Amino acid sequence: SQTIHQWPATLVQPVGSPLSLECTVEGTSNPNLYWYRQAAGRGLQLLFYSVGIGQISSEVPQNLSASRPQDRQFILSSKKLLLSDSGFYLCAWTPWGGAYEQYFGPGTRLTVT
Amino acid sequence: KQEVTQIPAALSVPEGENLVLNCSFTDSAIYNLQWFRQDPGKGLTSLLLIQSSQREQTSGRLNASLDKSSGRSTLYIAASQPGDSATYLCAGGGADGLTFGKGTHLIIQP
Repeated sequence: SQTIHQWPATLVQPVGSPLSLECTVEGTSNPNLYWYRQAAGRGLQLLFYSVGIGQISSEVPQNLSASRPQDRQFILSSKKLLLSDSGFYLCAWTPWGGAYEQYFGPGTRLTVT
Repeated sequence: KQEVTQIPAALSVPEGENLVLNCSFTDSAIYNLQWFRQDPGKGLTSLLLIQSSQREQTSGRLNASLDKSSGRSTLYIAASQPGDSATYLCAGGGADGLTFGKGTHLIIQP
């Protein structure tokens, strides 16, 4: 069966510090991968998606970036965090092609102070 | 750009009632419509997926329907239980990601 992991589970970082969140999927090959953010009082927002290694599409301009160095690994990064980057970050995957259910990881709660 | 709206934003009902959650979307060319459940502080659990060629899906006490022509989906929960208390999210999209509504916060009173 397939499993999706995210770490860390929680993170408190000062403004201006760097960020790296990691997501890995087990039990599947060549998945589509997604990063979403859920900010307080707002709905879930798609940030990035990837259909293959090194292929990243950005949905929202911001100071965040994403990378996919391996088939089942998706990383969300920032060089300098802003207060507005606080939120609940969720990684998701779906079998290649996108005609199937999206499955979500447990999320990372990021607080920027 | 796809927009998804969920009504009501919050709902509190006594245990045992049947209830309907509503979701509307602006782009009828929607590919998939997916319903999720989110418990406080947790990730999303997929409940039902309706693909574009389908009109409804059922899983246990849950039934979801999709009417692309009117831009609406409904989630029907039969015989509600306190354990059904959560936020329910609907989302539409495809391989390039999902667009979410803001959710319906559901409380089932024992």
